[in-house]
Amino acid sequence: DSGVTQTPKHLITATGQRVTLRCSPRSGDLSVYWYQQSLDQGLQFLIQYYNGEERAKGNILERFSAQQFPDLHSELNLSSLELGDSALYFCASTEGGSGNTIYFGEGSWLTVV
Amino acid sequence: GENVEQHPSTLSVQEGDSAVIKCTYSDSASNYFPWYKQELGKRPQLIIDIRSNVGEKKDQRIAVTLNKTAKHFSLHITETQPEDSAVYFCAARETGGFKTIFGAGTRLFVKA
Repeated sequence: DSGVTQTPKHLITATGQRVTLRCSPRSGDLSVYWYQQSLDQGLQFLIQYYNGEERAKGNILERFSAQQFPDLHSELNLSSLELGDSALYFCASTEGGSGNTIYFGEGSWLTVV
Repeated sequence: GENVEQHPSTLSVQEGDSAVIKCTYSDSASNYFPWYKQELGKRPQLIIDIRSNVGEKKDQRIAVTLNKTAKHFSLHITETQPEDSAVYFCAARETGGFKTIFGAGTRLFVKA
């Protein structure tokens, strides 16, 4: 157990819908990362927050948004869902700063039908 | 931004043989290079990492080497076992430490 908690574990929804994925980082970790992993694909960096502020942005679609709350948990909002958004979405956390290990949660499986 | 290339995409070895996975990175200022192992349907887990002030690091059957001049680093697994079968990802952390960019992954098969 990495200490990073993600909910829900599995989610099936229809095209055009909106979903929210939730992540609680390890106790004391300030940075939260979101990654997308499609079937048999690599880990695509979406976005990173540090202590409530957006710090880095990757290949995140405009239909997607995220935020980190004062209690440091984070939510990833996915809207106008398309079939191609079906993927495993990982949240990860780290204390922040350079050279720190990223710890991944178990992921949220999203299936868009 | 940082770009990480990883080779090979698939690697099949006989149990007991060695496996080598290679990665190159583009940002010469990257200073932290972790390796993750991901079993099917599970989260990536850190197996070893190396910082830019070190050329080699070893942990039992796993070793990582870093060549800063050539901007490449490699994972070496010796005496491979069937339980080493998984997808392995290399990564590089960008200057400033805000992004960790992953390679595309190597699917390792260890045949018993």
